[in-house]
Amino acid sequence: DTGVSQDPRHKITKRGQNVTFRCDPISEHNRLYWYRQTLGQGPEFLTYFQNEAQLEKSRLLSDRFSAERPKGSFSTLEIQRTEQGDSAMYLCASSPSTGIDGNTIYFGEGSWLTVV
Amino acid sequence: AQSVAQPEDQVNVAEGNPLTVKCTYSVSGNPYLFWYVQYPNRGLQFLLKYITGDNLVKGSYGFEAEFNKSQTSFHLKKPSALVSDSALYFCAVRDIDTGGFKTIFGAGTRLFVKA
Repeated sequence: DTGVSQDPRHKITKRGQNVTFRCDPISEHNRLYWYRQTLGQGPEFLTYFQNEAQLEKSRLLSDRFSAERPKGSFSTLEIQRTEQGDSAMYLCASSPSTGIDGNTIYFGEGSWLTVV
Repeated sequence: AQSVAQPEDQVNVAEGNPLTVKCTYSVSGNPYLFWYVQYPNRGLQFLLKYITGDNLVKGSYGFEAEFNKSQTSFHLKKPSALVSDSALYFCAVRDIDTGGFKTIFGAGTRLFVKA
């Protein structure tokens, strides 16, 4: 399977702890996105990378959130000092920059975070 | 700013009947429009998109959608529903003139297909 891969799929953490999620995009895709989805809602945009450059960040991405894509391949999303309101599914997606699929984003299976 | 509205939280249809899931959008420039489907505890799967050209686009699993610029709508349709179509459906839009590469999603419509 050469789709978007996310790890871990599920994470339970205590309030105040730090968590990190990893995303491996489809190999030829140079654009990578992070979204957050809570129950009953659609995905909310968090941030976007073109290769290793983080080009856009949502206001939803507070100072406790940081995302990186150091070599333009995989990406990590870290949440520091987690709060119960951070409980959600974190979705990673990727897309190519050109070609017939150049405007279509493809999602991974998501990483569920529960903060207790 | 770009936004998407899915006016129905839930759509119920009998198997074999046609289905429609509604979507309207708002953008400053020109839109790219998308439909995705989500099954429980899974990520979103791409169904179809409108970029340019023919207003009627066909996608996966027999779904199609019609772009209507004057009504700013992009309704998802299928001629004959299957029980296996029961899922959560999301409409999404990207403003290609002012929205960068950010795709915005609606709140979703839950489709129930009864046997």
